[in-house]
Amino acid sequence: EAAVTQSPRNKVAVTGGKVTLSCNQTNNHNNMYWYRQDTGHGLRLIHYSYGAGSTEKGDIPDGYKASRPSQENFSLILELATPSQTSVYFCASGVGLGNYAEQFFGPGTRLTVL
Amino acid sequence: GDSVTQTEGLVTLTEGLPVMLNCTYQTIYSNPFLFWYVQHLNESPRLLLKSFTDNKRTEHQGFHATLHKSSSSFHLQKSSAQLSDSALYYCALSENSGTYQRFGTGTKLQVVP
Repeated sequence: EAAVTQSPRNKVAVTGGKVTLSCNQTNNHNNMYWYRQDTGHGLRLIHYSYGAGSTEKGDIPDGYKASRPSQENFSLILELATPSQTSVYFCASGVGLGNYAEQFFGPGTRLTVL
Repeated sequence: GDSVTQTEGLVTLTEGLPVMLNCTYQTIYSNPFLFWYVQHLNESPRLLLKSFTDNKRTEHQGFHATLHKSSSSFHLQKSSAQLSDSALYYCALSENSGTYQRFGTGTKLQVVP
C-alpha cells in the first residue's frame, strides 16, 4: 500500500512568518508534488520534483519554495506567509509512466495564516 | 498550455438515478492520459480510473468513462447513483510521459435519498 505522510496536519501561522510543510513517502517514487486545494480552483500544482536534488515550478509557484533532499522527503517552504496562502496543502508521490500512471496523496495540511 | 474543464461545480442527484460528470480537455499532445480522482469528505484524493486508449471504455467500482480524442472528452458515468458516491470528483490530464497531472476545478456530487 502506497504511503505518503505529511506534517504538520494543521498549522496556524502569522503573516510574515516562515512556514515549512513536510512530506515523506515510502513508495520509492521518483516524482513528488505539492498542491493547494481551494474551493472553485480545485487542485493547483505549486512545485514538483523528479528526484532527490531536483525541484520544478508548477502553475502557481510564487511565494513558495520547495526542497527535495532525498528520495523520501519533499518540503514546501513559505518564507513570508500571507493570508492568501491560507489553504489545504496536499503532497503526492507518483509513478508517471504509461499504464502505471497514478498519484498517491497524503492526508493534507490545513494552513491558516492570520 | 494544457487545461481541463469541468463545467459543473455541483451536481445533485436522487439516489438510483444515473450519474454523468463532464470533463473536456485541451492539449497539444497526441497521446494524453486522462484520470478521474475521487475525494470523499475529510479524505485525500484517490485514483478512480484512468485511460489513454481512444474510444475504449474503462471501468472501476461501478463507474466508467471513455476517452474520446475526437471531442477531447472523458466524461464519468455510473448507471445508478448511491448515497456513498457523494464526493468531490476531479478530472486530470497528463501527457504521455506522465511527469505531472493537471487537474480540473472539480465537481461536487451530492446524492440525496
